[in-house]
Amino acid sequence: RKEVEQDPGPFNVPEGATVAFNCTYSNSASQSFFWYRQDCRKEPKLLMSVYSSGNEDGRFTAQLNRASQYISLLIRDSKLSDSATYLCVVNKAGSYQLTFGKGTKLSVIP
Amino acid sequence: ETGVTQTPRHLVMGMTNKKSLKCEQHLGHNAMYWYKQSAKKPLELMFVYSLEERVENNSVPSRFSPECPNSSHLFLHLHTLQPEDSALYLCASSQDPARQGALNYGYTFGSGTRLTVV
Repeated sequence: RKEVEQDPGPFNVPEGATVAFNCTYSNSASQSFFWYRQDCRKEPKLLMSVYSSGNEDGRFTAQLNRASQYISLLIRDSKLSDSATYLCVVNKAGSYQLTFGKGTKLSVIP
Repeated sequence: ETGVTQTPRHLVMGMTNKKSLKCEQHLGHNAMYWYKQSAKKPLELMFVYSLEERVENNSVPSRFSPECPNSSHLFLHLHTLQPEDSALYLCASSQDPARQGALNYGYTFGSGTRLTVV
C-alpha cells in the first residue's frame, strides 16, 4: 500500500462548482497533515494545514478522520485560478520527512 | 531577498560534467532539504540537514553529494549523472521538527532547478 494515496484526476469542473478531493495515508503514527498546491512547472506551496477538528480558510475546508486515516479538501465556488495539482502531505511526529501523495489535478473551466 | 532561493533555475549537463545546485533560505529556519520530483512520481526526499548536520540517510546514489556550510545555505553537487536523473530538484526549509515537536508549519520550497542530463 502506498504511504499517501490520492485520486490523480483530472477533475474538470466549471467555474463556481464545488469539488472535493480525498486522500488516505497508511502510517498511523502520522501526526501533521497538509494540503499543498502545485502549479504547472512551479514549486509546491502550502495551501493549508489540516487539524483534527477540521478547519476552513475562505473557500477551502479541510477535514481529517484519524480512525479511517483519511483527509479531505473541499473547494467551494471554484475559480479559474484554482486550477493546479493538489498534494496531500503527511508527517510523523518528530520526523523531518514530509511524505507526499502524487497529487490530484484540478482544471476549472470557464 | 525573501523565502527560499534556488539557482540555477534551469541546467543542462552532460553525463561527464560536474555541476552544483545552490539553495539559500532567508526565513531563519534551521532544517533544510533536497527533494527530487520526477514526472508522474511523488516528491522523493533525498537529504535532510538540521543545524548543518545531515540527519537522515535516504538511499541516494553517490553521484549526488550534499553540502551544508551553514544553516542558510545548502548545495547539491552533481557528477557523472545519468539521463534518468533529469528531474526538478527542489530545496526546502523548515523549523526543526525534532526541536519544535511535530512539523506544524510544513516546509517552504524554493522554485526548483529543472535539470536535464544529456
